[in-house]
Amino acid sequence: NAGVTQTPKFRVLKTGQSMTLLCAQDMNHEYMYWYRQDPGMGLRLIHYSVGEGTTAKGEVPDGYNVSRLKKQNFLLGLESAAPSQTSVYFCASSLAGVGSGELFFGEGSRLTVL
Amino acid sequence: SQQGEEDPQALSIQEGENATMNCSYKTSINNLQWYRQNSGRGLVHLILIRSNEREKHSGRLRVTLDTSKKSSSLLITASRAADTASYFCATGVYNQGGKLIFGQGTELSVKP
Repeated sequence: NAGVTQTPKFRVLKTGQSMTLLCAQDMNHEYMYWYRQDPGMGLRLIHYSVGEGTTAKGEVPDGYNVSRLKKQNFLLGLESAAPSQTSVYFCASSLAGVGSGELFFGEGSRLTVL
Repeated sequence: SQQGEEDPQALSIQEGENATMNCSYKTSINNLQWYRQNSGRGLVHLILIRSNEREKHSGRLRVTLDTSKKSSSLLITASRAADTASYFCATGVYNQGGKLIFGQGTELSVKP
């Protein structure tokens, strides 16, 4: 069981470059999320999706875009990376909304922007 | 701002002792969940307590919820070195769809 898989696991970018983080889940979950984790800040929700073709903003959406073209995939894009986006990014999925239970997390993608 | 605030930020205990972590939140919730994160890894779900529940157990874990005080606690009994990790509370909020908002976490160190 793969669960939630994130690629790449590590990436170094220069300021202004763009990149896409891919999240794939094999559990047929409707909901998918992107969080970032910074020291002393816990996890902060960037964007989330309640189903294929839908996306919504979380707490810290600026500088990021997302797409959910297929139910199993949730992409996080950085169009013009900034040093403030240096972080560890976590993707998660859940069967339904927060009322139904747990989130399943990937192992994280560590991004450094120079 | 963060929905959940955890206390303490760090906790160091000896193996066999109990560990208690607290979480306070600001708005009405559907449920409150606790997660564990080992260093360098993703988060793993531990337990969920719904807003109409007051206490829940799972193995060595005991979670309480006091909605009048907007607070929850996680108790790990008879701790083990393998319990060393960061623990996060997360709240599911009314009228905010699928969002789960995390606290800043408590870093637990259990010394053998």
